[in-house]
Amino acid sequence: NAGVTQTPKFQVLKTGQSMTLQCAQDMNHNSMYWYRQDPGMGLRLIYYSASEGTTDKGEVPNGYNVSRLNKREFSLRLESAAPSQTSVYFCAITRDSTNEKLFFGSGTQLSVL
Amino acid sequence: AQSVAQPEDQVNVAEGNPLTVKCTYSVSGNPYLFWYVQYPNRGLQFLLKYITGDNLVKGSYGFEAEFNKSQTSFHLKKPSALVSDSALYFCAVRPDSNYQLIWGAGTKLIIKP
Repeated sequence: NAGVTQTPKFQVLKTGQSMTLQCAQDMNHNSMYWYRQDPGMGLRLIYYSASEGTTDKGEVPNGYNVSRLNKREFSLRLESAAPSQTSVYFCAITRDSTNEKLFFGSGTQLSVL
Repeated sequence: AQSVAQPEDQVNVAEGNPLTVKCTYSVSGNPYLFWYVQYPNRGLQFLLKYITGDNLVKGSYGFEAEFNKSQTSFHLKKPSALVSDSALYFCAVRPDSNYQLIWGAGTKLIIKP
């Protein structure tokens, strides 16, 4: 029972390159989230999916796109990476959108040069 | 604007001593309040939450938190610190007007033997 699995764990990109971060869960939870974590800033919500088939913007969506592929999987895409997107990215899930208890993946450390 | 403040970037405590990690918030209504912990190179883990009822809530690993409505605070406490408690601690608030969490910037807790 892995819970929330993120891939890759580490990635280095050049400015302008694209990549997709993958998130998969085996807890049968409905809601999925992508956060970024920057030093001294806590977590900021990029996008979320309250349920399969829906996605919504969070606090910092610019430069990102998401796909809720099915109930288990929620991917985050950077179409043209910028140095400002250097961060640690976390996928999280909750049973439903009331958001009472988040379960997090172990994170993706992304550097954009 | 709604916000969460963790006024201390770092808290140093000797092993065996009581610890307190502070959190104050500026959110209208009756918010839900949470504490999460992040160990090095890991995702965040849920510690405890306050929704309603007794102002002192107990959570994982011997932690507890005290809700004070008049001071809009939700401080995390533990009677006797362990070296293994050393980690990054995040306070989060869910306004009753929507389901998205507002996160504090985090407090690094260092427990010295």
